Amino acid sequence: NAGVTQTPKFQVLKTGQSMTLQCAQDMNHNSMYWYRQDPGMGLRLIYYSASEGTTDKGEVPNGYNVSRLNKREFSLRLESAAPSQTSVYFCASSEAKGRNQPQHFGDGTRLSIL
Amino acid sequence: SQQGEEDPQALSIQEGENATMNCSYKTSINNLQWYRQNSGRGLVHLILIRSNEREKHSGRLRVTLDTSKKSSSLLITASRAADTASYFCATDDRQTGANNLFFGTGTRLTVIP
Repeated sequence: NAGVTQTPKFQVLKTGQSMTLQCAQDMNHNSMYWYRQDPGMGLRLIYYSASEGTTDKGEVPNGYNVSRLNKREFSLRLESAAPSQTSVYFCASSEAKGRNQPQHFGDGTRLSIL
Repeated sequence: SQQGEEDPQALSIQEGENATMNCSYKTSINNLQWYRQNSGRGLVHLILIRSNEREKHSGRLRVTLDTSKKSSSLLITASRAADTASYFCATDDRQTGANNLFFGTGTRLTVIP
């Protein structure tokens, strides 16, 4: 049972480069999320997709774009990477029925911007 | 801005002791969740307590919720070395209505064998 799979696990970029972080879930969940985790800051929501075909901004969306490719996949794109985007990025998914179902997380992508 | 704040930031105990960590939040909520994160891994959901519940148990976990004080506590009884991890509380915001969670900064628990 894979759950939520994120690729790549590690990446180093130079300032100004672009990259797409991939996320896929096999639990038939409707909702998917992208977070970043920085030391001392906890997790902060970047973007979320409540259902296939919809995306919405979270707390810290600047510098990022997302695509809900289908029900399984939700990607996060950095168009022009900046050192401030050095972080650990987590993808999560949840059922849409009812309010505030538990979220299931991938193991993260560790991204360094030089 | 973050919704939850955990206290203490770090906690070190001997195996077999109980561990208590606290969470305070700012707005009205529908429910509060606790998650565990092992080093280098993603978060794992532990327990969810609804706003109309005061206490909930799951195995060695006991969670309390006081909505009047906007606070929650997580008690891990008879701790084990495998409980070493960071623990996060997460809350929704009743006003927004979406299934978005706001996470605190976490409590880092170390259980010494």
